[in-house]
Amino acid sequence: GDSVTQMEGPVTLSEEAFLTINCTYTATGYPSLFWYVQYPGEGLQLLLKATKADDKGSNKGFEATYRKETTSFHLEKGSVQVSDSAVYFCALSTGGFKTIFGAGTRLFVKA
Amino acid sequence: GAGVSQSPSNKVTEKGKDVELRCDPISGHTALYWYRQSLGQGLEFLIYFQGNSAPDKSGLPSDRFSAERTGGSVSTLTIQRTQQEDSAVYLCASSIDRGLDYGYTFGSGTRLTVV
Repeated sequence: GDSVTQMEGPVTLSEEAFLTINCTYTATGYPSLFWYVQYPGEGLQLLLKATKADDKGSNKGFEATYRKETTSFHLEKGSVQVSDSAVYFCALSTGGFKTIFGAGTRLFVKA
Repeated sequence: GAGVSQSPSNKVTEKGKDVELRCDPISGHTALYWYRQSLGQGLEFLIYFQGNSAPDKSGLPSDRFSAERTGGSVSTLTIQRTQQEDSAVYLCASSIDRGLDYGYTFGSGTRLTVV
């Protein structure tokens, strides 16, 4: 079945460091791919998305490129801030009954 | 409404009691989803509604769990005879297109604690 695997956390970085959170997927169809972010005490928010191969999703300085050949959708940001501390979820949807979420990666950014 | 609203935000209940969790989705969103997030875990799919019908109930953990949706809007998740392992954050989400292009909009969740 469809699945999403993302790197385990927590990831701890200093402010202004470069961030990469790896995400790979398995899907039988042609999924749309998403990154969601969950700030402390809040629900999940859609951060960015890509709906077809080679698309790049971007938002708030974060980027991820849909790589069909490597079945990956890694999240990157060039310079993280303390306010980026949160849990990040990679997810896929084939327009079926549900979106499949990864286990989440917790990011801590130190001042 | 402007967002997905869930109530209550927190619920503490005694083992064996029944609880009802409510979700009010974004107006016009025909698809509604319930997920469960246990401490330190990812999201566990529970049930999906398209309109008022639930074509996929495969994620409900046991027959103590049930859900309904009325008027294509508000949904209620009911847990009967709660157990301690039911303690989790219950998240509701809605979508205009089953999530393919626009993703989901999530509520802030109901934190359920069974003591």
